[in-house]
Amino acid sequence: QKEVEQNSGPLSVPEGAIASLNCTYSDRVSQSFFWYRQYSGKSPELIMSIYSNGDKEDGRFTAQLNKASQYVSLLIRDSQPSDSATYLCAVNLFYNQGGKLIFGQGTELSVKP
Amino acid sequence: DARVTQTPRHKVTEMGQEVTMRCQPILGHNTVFWYRQTMMQGLELLAYFRNRAPLDDSGMPKDRFSAEMPDATLATLKIQPSEPRDSAVYFCASGLVDLRDRGSYEQYFGPGTRLTVT
Repeated sequence: QKEVEQNSGPLSVPEGAIASLNCTYSDRVSQSFFWYRQYSGKSPELIMSIYSNGDKEDGRFTAQLNKASQYVSLLIRDSQPSDSATYLCAVNLFYNQGGKLIFGQGTELSVKP
Repeated sequence: DARVTQTPRHKVTEMGQEVTMRCQPILGHNTVFWYRQTMMQGLELLAYFRNRAPLDDSGMPKDRFSAEMPDATLATLKIQPSEPRDSAVYFCASGLVDLRDRGSYEQYFGPGTRLTVT
């Protein structure tokens, strides 16, 4: 089992719909969770961080964390074509104390006009 | 506007040549990470430093790769000799990590160096 897993996609949604991106992780005691957005040919950009169970909202983005089930998700409301990118989930695994993040393979999102 | 900078942005070289990539972390950040990204492997951590000291370089091929931080404003990643399989995008990222604060593990990426070895 990979330490951090994501569906590779591509996930295709129509403009204005809700896009739901999911990520599971292997270490039950992981503490810090991040979502990065990467446009084609660009570097990963941090868009959300979450540390406690529940939801965290920032504009059209909502991160959801469920530590008991070991998953973290990202919802994008009112999806726009400009949201088309690869979304990377990153987790700080508890057994590693160096601040290292483990990245998933990424989910490619395509928002169709 | 604090950003991680990397040079060069693109590098094309022949197999066997030495390649040096440079990174300037965000001023004040204490941790620097080197990643490699390919379509097949995704984003792989090669090495990282805290307060200029190497913490982990287990992700690097030891015989040809080396990473250093000559000072707090410069990190380097060197490949000697380079091989075609080293072709990838190399990212540097930095963060201000406090191990007591789980909220401090955010990392900020530079624009990357796209390396092509022919």
